[in-house]
Amino acid sequence: DTAVSQTPKYLVTQMGNDKSIKCEQNLGHDTMYWYKQDSKKFLKIMFSYNNKELIINETVPNRFSPKSPDKAHLNLHINSLELGDSAVYFCASSQDGIPPNTEAFFGQGTRLTVV
Amino acid sequence: AQTVTQSQPEMSVQEAETVTLSCTYDTSENNYYLFWYKQPPSRQMILVIRQEAYKQQNATENRFSVNFQKAAKSFSLKISDSQLGDTAMYFCAFMRPLRDDKIIFGKGTRLHILP
Repeated sequence: DTAVSQTPKYLVTQMGNDKSIKCEQNLGHDTMYWYKQDSKKFLKIMFSYNNKELIINETVPNRFSPKSPDKAHLNLHINSLELGDSAVYFCASSQDGIPPNTEAFFGQGTRLTVV
Repeated sequence: AQTVTQSQPEMSVQEAETVTLSCTYDTSENNYYLFWYKQPPSRQMILVIRQEAYKQQNATENRFSVNFQKAAKSFSLKISDSQLGDTAMYFCAFMRPLRDDKIIFGKGTRLHILP
């Protein structure tokens, strides 16, 4: 019974294509995130949504567009994919800063390879 | 701005030994949370241990314990009786609850447990 699930697990696509990564959490959390892990394993936050509203939008190209149809889902759509977009993308969720539940649960990650 | 620094990119220890991973952070906040996450080859991020800054007592989870020095802004992870399954990337992370819920990660330490 996966708490945070991402699909697909692997994604290989050509430059210029548009692709989406889906994320769903069944924890009842209010906040969801997208992180990008680069080749050096450094995790960088991209977006954060709280109850379907965008609260964090780091410096990310506008080719990346998050979409939250409800608070259990946060999908990531990427237009015009570039080679530099190749990375592992993690979805995560957390409850709204209410102790002791201020911990984030992560999905398994999606390895995106742009060729 | 908050930062998290892990000064050891890679470490190796023999099975059954004790190993300590270091982490320092910088913040002007008084209320925050600190975490250690493990990322095994499966790539899923697993919460190992968390510490609330207002608690003086160091958190412990089985073989994992932390040495939390709030004044020094240090948060090291000690793994006792290390096992082969502990081989993974370990990320130290910082979070401000009731603010932006953003989780900030260090660059990670790759830990190898040798048979």
